[in-house]
Amino acid sequence: KAGVTQTPRYLIKTRGQQVTLSCSPISGHRSVSWYQQTPGQGLQFLFEYFSETQRNKGNFPGRFSGRQFSNSRSEMNVSTLELGDSALYLCASSRLRTGGNYGYTFGSGTRLTVV
Amino acid sequence: EDQVTQSPEALRLQEGESSSLNCSYTVSGLRGLFWYRQDPGKGPEFLFTLYSAGEEKEKERLKATLTKKESFLHITAPKPEDSATYLCAVQVLSSNTGKLIFGQGTTLQVKP
Repeated sequence: KAGVTQTPRYLIKTRGQQVTLSCSPISGHRSVSWYQQTPGQGLQFLFEYFSETQRNKGNFPGRFSGRQFSNSRSEMNVSTLELGDSALYLCASSRLRTGGNYGYTFGSGTRLTVV
Repeated sequence: EDQVTQSPEALRLQEGESSSLNCSYTVSGLRGLFWYRQDPGKGPEFLFTLYSAGEEKEKERLKATLTKKESFLHITAPKPEDSATYLCAVQVLSSNTGKLIFGQGTTLQVKP
């Protein structure tokens, strides 16, 4: 059974550029969430999507945006990159919107480095 | 403010030496508490979901328990392969979303 696939695995960008990260959830999972993980702040919630609708957004600036497609695949975009955006970006999917006893399955993440 | 605090930050055990990790939470209402394991360079791996005080769940050498203010992850006779960062996260009842609020994690090292 395929897990959550995130692409690319590693990315190096320059300040001011923009970046798009992709997430393919487990087949049948309609709930997709995104998290940013840094050594200082830990895991912080970015967005949650269910059936192509954004259900919740974390406390991040408007430079961070996302969307979900009809096949449940999701993308997140960060515009005007800053050095502080360097982090591991994790995508998680679930068959239930609130996870339940199945929890959320995380991908291996995209490691973004902004120079 | 909804908050999750894990302790200790780091724990070193000898193989076979049992111990417990703590997760204290302050939320307006708890929908669920999740435990995850994260290995270096990988995403978190789901372990358990707990819903109400008194609930317990077990998986191999791990046992998670829940009270009204905290959760414990008990590790019995750990092996070196149990070395990882263990993350606790809560889901708030009132938010009606899947958002997880994570603690900072406990990094466990088990020496042979």
